Amino acid sequence: GQNIDQPTEMTATEGAIVQINCTYQTSGFNGLFWYQQHAGEAPTFLSYNVLDGLEEKGRFSSFLSRSKGYSYLLLKELQMKDSASYLCAVREGAAGNKLTFGGGTRVLVKP
Amino acid sequence: GAVVSQHPSRVICKSGTSVKIECRSLDFQATTMFWYRQFPKKSLMLMATSNEGSKATYEQGVEKDKFLINHASLTLSTLTVTSAHPEDSSFYICSAQAPSGRDLGTDTQYFGPGTRLTVL
Repeated sequence: GQNIDQPTEMTATEGAIVQINCTYQTSGFNGLFWYQQHAGEAPTFLSYNVLDGLEEKGRFSSFLSRSKGYSYLLLKELQMKDSASYLCAVREGAAGNKLTFGGGTRVLVKP
Repeated sequence: GAVVSQHPSRVICKSGTSVKIECRSLDFQATTMFWYRQFPKKSLMLMATSNEGSKATYEQGVEKDKFLINHASLTLSTLTVTSAHPEDSSFYICSAQAPSGRDLGTDTQYFGPGTRLTVL
């Protein structure tokens, strides 16, 4: 089984930076995904890490440390539209490539 | 690319009836699709893994006779909620796994827009 933890809520100001942490415990780690989900909508893919280090995609970056069971999603130059839930999901290679999701972090961007 | 559709987007039904939800990968073939359930302000809970041409694999605690899954082709999986009850009311989301080599080559799951089921 897996245990994935991320903060429940975070608040930040427009234009600022927010870092969402995710810790996990799993066997057979085979990748970590970040998704963005607006209320009432389906999750949209943001990033993927399978090797240690930082992956940068525009205003969003994701970091992974496999030895620490730790990842973070960094959102820069926050915009109001970034207000959403951010889901950390871990894939186990031994589990048929299925994803296990954390509880999600609701980010509220204020003017 | 990697678009997944779901139909219907919303459905309201009476208790005891059955509801079918369709999940389609529009621009790629998906040998594997997944069905999730999400309660308000909660994260996604995997219900089952659907493989084309074979029986679905259900997660612990999910009744396979209540939630019937059929994956008849490489672009279509269906979830039928049988004899629905008010406690089945939820947001049901499917995802399709893009094959290796596409996009990031990571077997990324792409999600459909979800179906909001309300059972009266």
